[in-house]
Amino acid sequence: QVQLQQWGAGLLKPSETLSLTCAVYGGSFSGYYWSWIRQPPGKGLEWIGEINNIGSTNYNPSLTSRLNISVDTSKNQFSLKLRSVTAADTAVYYCARHGGGEDCGSTSCSFYSYMDVWGRGTTVSVSS
Amino acid sequence: SSELTQDPAVSVALGQTVKITCQGDSLRIFYASWYQQKPGQAPVLVIYGENMRPSGIPDRISGSRTGNTASLTIAGVQAEDEADYYCNSRDRTGSHLLFGGGTKVTVL
Repeated sequence: QVQLQQWGAGLLKPSETLSLTCAVYGGSFSGYYWSWIRQPPGKGLEWIGEINNIGSTNYNPSLTSRLNISVDTSKNQFSLKLRSVTAADTAVYYCARHGGGEDCGSTSCSFYSYMDVWGRGTTVSVSS
Repeated sequence: SSELTQDPAVSVALGQTVKITCQGDSLRIFYASWYQQKPGQAPVLVIYGENMRPSGIPDRISGSRTGNTASLTIAGVQAEDEADYYCNSRDRTGSHLLFGGGTKVTVL
């Protein structure tokens, strides 16, 4: 059974860099994208970005200028760095495994994706 | 549009059926996936694809799609179904992921 274990600093000052790591245990690292998602207090989920085992990334356009997601396949880990944090970056940060596929009928295909394994979340607070 | 729109809240009586919708242009190309989140817990995948359930999700939870609208239906609602529900899909380019704003389901 695949499990994700995440860790990182939970209290930051404005302008510092948020740094989190997620380790994958019990399953293959290849064949999936690995995502970061966050949830500000009392609010909904926001996708941050994703990476696959060869280092291909996709980022939320609103965070691209401050964001770096990297992968270490030798350790089955992926990491998030978000620069120049402000109070607006205060949130619970989750890592998740992201799979997908396609379902084709006689005339067209639809695509599906899903996040089926999640980390337990890391609370990050930004305060001076 | 690169958004997914959900109603903020819905109430349902115990044992009845509730339908939650998610609207967005990308849903014409990508099926939605649905997540249940209870307070203080990580989200849990409940539906993905046309109507696929991960192991352990009861079959009274189902999904469907019509045009640009995806729906999650919970039949025979139980107290344990009270939670926030989020839809998710890729955007039309396939390069980014979108979440709906979430629907809070209250069981009366």
